[in-house]
Amino acid sequence: DVVMTQTPLSLSVTPGQPASISCKSSQSLLHSDGKTYLYWFLQKPGRSPQLLMYEVSNRFSGVPHRFSGSGSETDFTLRISRVEAEDVGVYYCMQTIHLPGTFGQGTTVEIK
Amino acid sequence: QVQLVQSGAEVKKPGASVKVSCKASGYTFTGYYIHWVRQAPGQGLEWMGWMDPKSGDSNSAQKFQGRVTMTRDTSINTAYLELSTLKSDDTAVYYCTREIFAVVTGLDPWGQGSLITVSS
Repeated sequence: DVVMTQTPLSLSVTPGQPASISCKSSQSLLHSDGKTYLYWFLQKPGRSPQLLMYEVSNRFSGVPHRFSGSGSETDFTLRISRVEAEDVGVYYCMQTIHLPGTFGQGTTVEIK
Repeated sequence: QVQLVQSGAEVKKPGASVKVSCKASGYTFTGYYIHWVRQAPGQGLEWMGWMDPKSGDSNSAQKFQGRVTMTRDTSINTAYLELSTLKSDDTAVYYCTREIFAVVTGLDPWGQGSLITVSS
Protein backbone atom coordinates (compact mmCIF):
# COMPACT_ATOMS: atom_id res chain seq x y z
CA ASP A 1 0.00 0.00 0.00
CA VAL A 2 1.11 3.58 -0.65
CA VAL A 3 2.14 5.24 2.59
CA MET A 4 1.20 8.89 3.00
CA THR A 5 3.30 10.74 5.59
CA GLN A 6 2.16 14.12 6.87
CA THR A 7 4.22 16.60 8.86
CA PRO A 8 3.74 18.15 11.26
CA LEU A 9 1.06 16.17 13.07
CA SER A 10 -0.09 19.26 14.90
CA LEU A 11 0.15 22.97 14.35
CA SER A 12 -0.78 25.91 16.58
CA VAL A 13 -1.17 29.11 14.58
CA THR A 14 -1.85 32.73 15.46
CA PRO A 15 -4.80 34.12 13.46
CA GLY A 16 -3.55 35.93 10.39
CA GLN A 17 -0.32 33.96 10.24
CA PRO A 18 0.51 31.40 7.54
CA ALA A 19 0.52 27.64 7.97
CA SER A 20 1.97 24.83 5.91
CA ILE A 21 1.44 21.05 5.92
CA SER A 22 3.64 18.59 4.09
CA CYS A 23 2.49 15.27 2.63
CA LYS A 24 4.90 12.75 1.17
CA SER A 25 3.86 9.57 -0.65
CA SER A 26 5.89 6.36 -0.89
CA GLN A 27 5.14 6.12 -4.63
CA SER A 28 4.57 8.60 -7.40
CA LEU A 29 0.98 9.82 -7.68
CA LEU A 30 1.36 10.88 -11.31
CA HIS A 31 -1.04 8.98 -13.56
CA SER A 32 -0.40 8.16 -17.21
CA ASP A 33 -3.24 10.57 -18.05
CA GLY A 34 -1.02 13.40 -16.80
CA LYS A 35 -3.05 14.08 -13.66
CA THR A 36 -1.77 13.69 -10.11
CA TYR A 37 -4.45 12.22 -7.86
CA LEU A 38 -3.59 13.88 -4.59
CA TYR A 39 -6.36 15.42 -2.50
CA TRP A 40 -6.65 17.44 0.69
CA PHE A 41 -9.57 17.16 3.09
CA LEU A 42 -10.47 19.11 6.21
CA GLN A 43 -12.41 17.50 9.01
CA LYS A 44 -13.79 20.19 11.29
CA PRO A 45 -14.53 19.19 14.88
CA GLY A 46 -17.52 16.86 15.05
CA ARG A 47 -18.09 16.98 11.30
CA SER A 48 -17.59 14.78 8.26
CA PRO A 49 -14.50 15.39 6.12
CA GLN A 50 -14.86 17.93 3.32
CA LEU A 51 -12.90 18.19 0.09
CA LEU A 52 -10.54 21.18 0.01
CA MET A 53 -8.15 20.63 -2.89
CA TYR A 54 -8.19 18.24 -5.82
CA GLU A 55 -5.35 17.12 -8.07
CA VAL A 56 -2.73 18.83 -5.91
CA SER A 57 -3.46 22.48 -6.55
CA ASN A 58 -7.12 23.03 -7.49
CA ARG A 59 -9.42 24.57 -4.92
CA PHE A 60 -12.77 22.81 -4.67
CA SER A 61 -15.98 24.81 -4.99
CA GLY A 62 -16.36 27.33 -2.17
CA VAL A 63 -12.86 26.92 -0.76
CA PRO A 64 -11.32 30.29 0.13
CA HIS A 65 -8.38 31.61 -1.86
CA ARG A 66 -6.17 31.61 1.22
CA PHE A 67 -5.80 27.85 0.66
CA SER A 68 -3.29 26.69 -1.93
CA GLY A 69 -1.66 23.41 -2.85
CA SER A 70 1.55 22.54 -4.62
CA GLY A 71 3.88 19.68 -5.33
CA SER A 72 4.45 16.81 -7.72
CA GLU A 73 5.16 13.08 -7.90
CA THR A 74 5.69 12.27 -4.21
CA ASP A 75 6.05 15.58 -2.39
CA PHE A 76 3.11 17.88 -1.70
CA THR A 77 2.26 20.91 0.43
CA LEU A 78 -0.94 22.56 1.58
CA ARG A 79 -0.60 26.21 2.55
CA ILE A 80 -2.95 28.59 4.30
CA SER A 81 -1.83 32.16 3.66
CA ARG A 82 -3.58 33.69 6.67
CA VAL A 83 -5.18 31.29 9.13
CA GLU A 84 -8.66 32.11 10.37
CA ALA A 85 -10.56 30.67 13.33
CA GLU A 86 -12.81 28.63 11.01
CA ASP A 87 -9.77 26.74 9.66
CA VAL A 88 -9.36 24.65 12.84
CA GLY A 89 -9.65 20.93 12.42
CA VAL A 90 -7.72 17.96 11.07
CA TYR A 91 -6.26 18.10 7.57
CA TYR A 92 -5.73 14.89 5.63
CA CYS A 93 -3.99 14.24 2.35
CA MET A 94 -5.18 11.28 0.31
CA GLN A 95 -4.15 9.44 -2.84
CA THR A 96 -6.49 7.49 -5.10
CA ILE A 97 -4.23 6.46 -7.97
CA HIS A 98 -3.10 3.26 -6.28
CA LEU A 99 -5.56 0.87 -4.64
CA PRO A 100 -6.26 0.84 -1.80
CA GLY A 101 -6.73 4.55 -1.44
CA THR A 102 -4.70 5.80 1.48
CA PHE A 103 -4.78 8.82 3.76
CA GLY A 104 -2.08 10.61 5.68
CA GLN A 105 -2.25 10.41 9.49
CA GLY A 106 -3.82 13.84 9.69
CA THR A 107 -2.53 17.22 10.89
CA THR A 108 -4.42 18.97 13.66
CA VAL A 109 -4.54 22.74 13.27
CA GLU A 110 -5.50 24.82 16.27
CA ILE A 111 -5.61 28.54 16.89
CA LYS A 112 -3.28 30.11 19.47
CA GLN B 1 -28.57 19.84 -3.40
CA VAL B 2 -26.37 16.76 -3.57
CA GLN B 3 -26.70 14.85 -0.32
CA LEU B 4 -25.85 11.49 1.21
CA VAL B 5 -27.87 10.51 4.27
CA GLN B 6 -26.74 7.50 6.28
CA SER B 7 -28.47 5.18 8.69
CA GLY B 8 -28.20 5.66 12.42
CA ALA B 9 -25.90 4.39 15.12
CA GLU B 10 -25.91 0.71 16.02
CA VAL B 11 -24.46 -1.49 18.74
CA LYS B 12 -23.44 -4.99 17.73
CA LYS B 13 -21.93 -7.96 19.49
CA PRO B 14 -18.62 -9.47 18.39
CA GLY B 15 -19.15 -11.97 15.59
CA ALA B 16 -22.32 -10.29 14.35
CA SER B 17 -22.84 -8.41 11.07
CA VAL B 18 -23.92 -4.84 10.40
CA LYS B 19 -25.44 -3.22 7.33
CA VAL B 20 -25.08 0.54 6.89
CA SER B 21 -27.18 2.41 4.34
CA CYS B 22 -26.39 5.56 2.39
CA LYS B 23 -29.26 7.28 0.58
CA ALA B 24 -28.30 9.61 -2.25
CA SER B 25 -30.30 12.57 -3.49
CA GLY B 26 -29.84 15.55 -5.75
CA TYR B 27 -27.95 13.75 -8.52
CA THR B 28 -28.07 10.68 -10.77
CA PHE B 29 -27.22 7.87 -8.36
CA THR B 30 -25.92 5.51 -11.05
CA GLY B 31 -23.55 8.10 -12.47
CA TYR B 32 -21.00 8.19 -9.65
CA TYR B 33 -19.06 5.61 -7.64
CA ILE B 34 -19.69 5.41 -3.89
CA HIS B 35 -16.71 4.97 -1.58
CA TRP B 36 -16.74 3.86 2.05
CA VAL B 37 -14.29 5.26 4.60
CA ARG B 38 -14.17 4.55 8.31
CA GLN B 39 -12.73 6.35 11.32
CA ALA B 40 -12.05 4.62 14.63
CA PRO B 41 -12.53 6.75 17.75
CA GLY B 42 -9.83 9.45 17.90
CA GLN B 43 -8.09 8.01 14.86
CA GLY B 44 -7.58 8.92 11.22
CA LEU B 45 -9.44 7.99 8.06
CA GLU B 46 -9.27 4.52 6.52
CA TRP B 47 -10.46 3.76 3.00
CA MET B 48 -12.52 0.58 2.76
CA GLY B 49 -13.64 0.28 -0.85
CA TRP B 50 -15.76 1.53 -3.71
CA MET B 51 -18.87 0.43 -5.55
CA ASP B 52 -20.24 1.32 -8.98
CA PRO B 53 -23.99 1.79 -8.47
CA LYS B 54 -24.61 1.33 -12.21
CA SER B 55 -23.05 -2.12 -12.60
CA GLY B 56 -22.87 -3.25 -9.00
CA ASP B 57 -19.12 -3.87 -9.35
CA SER B 58 -17.07 -3.22 -6.23
CA ASN B 59 -13.52 -3.33 -4.94
CA SER B 60 -12.45 -3.39 -1.33
CA ALA B 61 -9.16 -3.03 0.50
CA GLN B 62 -7.48 -6.37 1.02
CA LYS B 63 -7.80 -6.19 4.80
CA PHE B 64 -11.60 -6.25 4.48
CA GLN B 65 -11.93 -8.81 1.69
CA GLY B 66 -14.09 -11.72 2.74
CA ARG B 67 -15.83 -9.62 5.40
CA VAL B 68 -17.22 -6.67 3.45
CA THR B 69 -20.06 -6.57 0.93
CA MET B 70 -21.04 -3.42 -0.94
CA THR B 71 -24.42 -3.43 -2.67
CA ARG B 72 -27.05 -1.01 -3.89
CA ASP B 73 -30.75 -0.63 -4.63
CA THR B 74 -31.10 1.70 -7.58
CA SER B 75 -34.88 1.92 -7.16
CA ILE B 76 -34.36 3.91 -3.96
CA ASN B 77 -30.94 5.43 -4.73
CA THR B 78 -29.34 3.71 -1.77
CA ALA B 79 -25.94 2.09 -1.28
CA TYR B 80 -25.17 -0.41 1.45
CA LEU B 81 -22.07 -1.54 3.29
CA GLU B 82 -22.27 -4.83 5.12
CA LEU B 83 -19.44 -5.89 7.42
CA SER B 84 -19.48 -9.37 8.93
CA THR B 85 -17.69 -11.17 11.75
CA LEU B 86 -17.42 -7.92 13.68
CA LYS B 87 -14.57 -7.39 16.14
CA SER B 88 -14.09 -4.73 18.78
CA ASP B 89 -11.64 -2.86 16.56
CA ASP B 90 -14.38 -2.45 13.94
CA THR B 91 -15.88 0.14 16.28
CA ALA B 92 -15.82 3.28 14.16
CA VAL B 93 -17.78 5.92 12.33
CA TYR B 94 -18.47 4.68 8.81
CA TYR B 95 -18.80 7.27 6.05
CA CYS B 96 -20.07 6.97 2.50
CA THR B 97 -18.89 9.50 -0.05
CA ARG B 98 -19.39 10.09 -3.75
CA GLU B 99 -16.52 10.05 -6.23
CA ILE B 100 -16.64 12.84 -8.76
CA PHE B 101 -14.61 12.18 -11.89
CA ALA B 102 -14.86 14.80 -14.61
CA VAL B 103 -13.19 18.19 -14.88
CA VAL B 104 -13.24 18.19 -11.09
CA THR B 105 -12.26 15.00 -9.27
CA GLY B 106 -12.40 13.91 -5.66
CA LEU B 107 -14.73 12.66 -2.94
CA ASP B 108 -17.71 14.92 -2.34
CA PRO B 109 -20.04 15.10 -0.56
CA TRP B 110 -19.70 12.87 2.49
CA GLY B 111 -22.53 11.38 4.48
CA GLN B 112 -22.95 12.38 8.10
CA GLY B 113 -21.42 9.12 9.30
CA SER B 114 -22.84 6.05 11.04
CA LEU B 115 -21.36 5.08 14.40
CA ILE B 116 -21.03 1.33 14.74
CA THR B 117 -20.06 0.10 18.21
CA VAL B 118 -18.95 -3.49 18.66
CA SER B 119 -19.20 -4.56 22.27
CA SER B 120 -20.17 -7.63 24.23
